[in-house]
Amino acid sequence: DTGVSQDPRHKITKRGQNVTFRCDPISEHNRLYWYRQTLGQGPEFLTYFQNEAQLEKSRLLSDRFSAERPKGSFSTLEIQRTEQGDSAMYLCATIGTTEAFFGQGTRLTVV
Amino acid sequence: DQQVKQNSPSLSVQEGRISILNCDYTNSMFDYFLWYKKYPAEGPTFLISISSIKDKNEDGRFTVFLNKSAKHLSLHIVPSQPGDSAVYFCAAIGGANNLFFGTGTRLTVIP
Repeated sequence: DTGVSQDPRHKITKRGQNVTFRCDPISEHNRLYWYRQTLGQGPEFLTYFQNEAQLEKSRLLSDRFSAERPKGSFSTLEIQRTEQGDSAMYLCATIGTTEAFFGQGTRLTVV
Repeated sequence: DQQVKQNSPSLSVQEGRISILNCDYTNSMFDYFLWYKKYPAEGPTFLISISSIKDKNEDGRFTVFLNKSAKHLSLHIVPSQPGDSAVYFCAAIGGANNLFFGTGTRLTVIP
């Protein structure tokens, strides 16, 4: 147990539907990251929060993606009008200076 | 632009022998390096890390070596056990404490 929780663990949705994932980080870590991982690839950076401020977004994050961290604690990642190419494992991580802890991930399947 | 590279997608080792997983990076500003182990359908699990000011860090069966001049690091597992079979990711912390991953090496330890 890394202390980072993600919900749900698995999500199957029809193309065109909206989905939302949640991440509850380690409380002492104020930096929260979202990554996406597809088969055979390492995790790819999506976006990053310092407390409640979203400081950086990857070009991978299209307009259909939005992330929030309203009170600097938990974070949500929403994908609107899902496409089959969105199928992946979505990982949340909190990163300190010398360590990083990941949640178990949310596996999204768009059918 | 892949700043962290793992050029061997797979490695097979006999149980009890040494496993050596390699990683190369391009950004000399990285100041911390980590190794993660990942099982299918789970988030990455932290294994061991090394600061850029060191050249070796050891934790039980796991040792990480860093060669800054060559921008190369390696993870040694000895003795290898069947339970070590997984995908191993090399990662580097840099920039806004972002985490850059390699594409992973699948280790298979043969009993």
